[in-house]
Amino acid sequence: QQPVQSPQAVILREGEDAVINCSSSKALYSVHWYRQKHGEAPVFLMILLKGGEQKGHDKISASFNEKKQQSSLYLTASQLSYSGTYFCGTAYNDMRFGAGTRLTVKP
Amino acid sequence: NAGVTQTPKFRILKIGQSMTLQCTQDMNHNYMYWYRQDPGMGLKLIYYSVGAGITDKGEVPNGYNVSRSTTEDFPLRLELAAPSQTSVYFCASSYSGAPNTEAFFGQGTRLTVV
Repeated sequence: QQPVQSPQAVILREGEDAVINCSSSKALYSVHWYRQKHGEAPVFLMILLKGGEQKGHDKISASFNEKKQQSSLYLTASQLSYSGTYFCGTAYNDMRFGAGTRLTVKP
Repeated sequence: NAGVTQTPKFRILKIGQSMTLQCTQDMNHNYMYWYRQDPGMGLKLIYYSVGAGITDKGEVPNGYNVSRSTTEDFPLRLELAAPSQTSVYFCASSYSGAPNTEAFFGQGTRLTVV
């Protein structure tokens, strides 16, 4: 079962903040976050594991609520380089991704 | 470091033709995955492998086959290509189980079926 992301799209001005949400109907062991720029491959941002462990990007923060089976990605003081599509992934042996959130940061 | 390498980068196929998309990784990763991404859409898992000789279906396996005879290689075979298989195909790998480790993606193969 694919995770569900919201919102589908966000438009920001430089310096503004955004939150991207990810939820699953299945119990989660971990949540992954990736960013994809247009025409490129997805790039790893973060893993959030049960028990609170996180691995990944120093300048991006995220939360993982195991009971609610939800994760949120927090983008603060956004920069132009943050533009792209953000995917959350839920992982067991395989990894399935949400439909993505398209983030556009304008000057 | 090469990472995950996919070939070819682009391909145009005629309806009914077959082809193999190549994926190789040099990181000694056990887990490998094939995804397809339709324009403006998310990544759909086609097949994955947890090690040499072991493969399993993902969300959208119909029309595709895979094999994993070595740790490094995970080719994806399209039989009887159809226009619905027009997509960008990404191969990815991870060191151990997906829950714990990041996935590294290849640069993709853009396939058009006409």
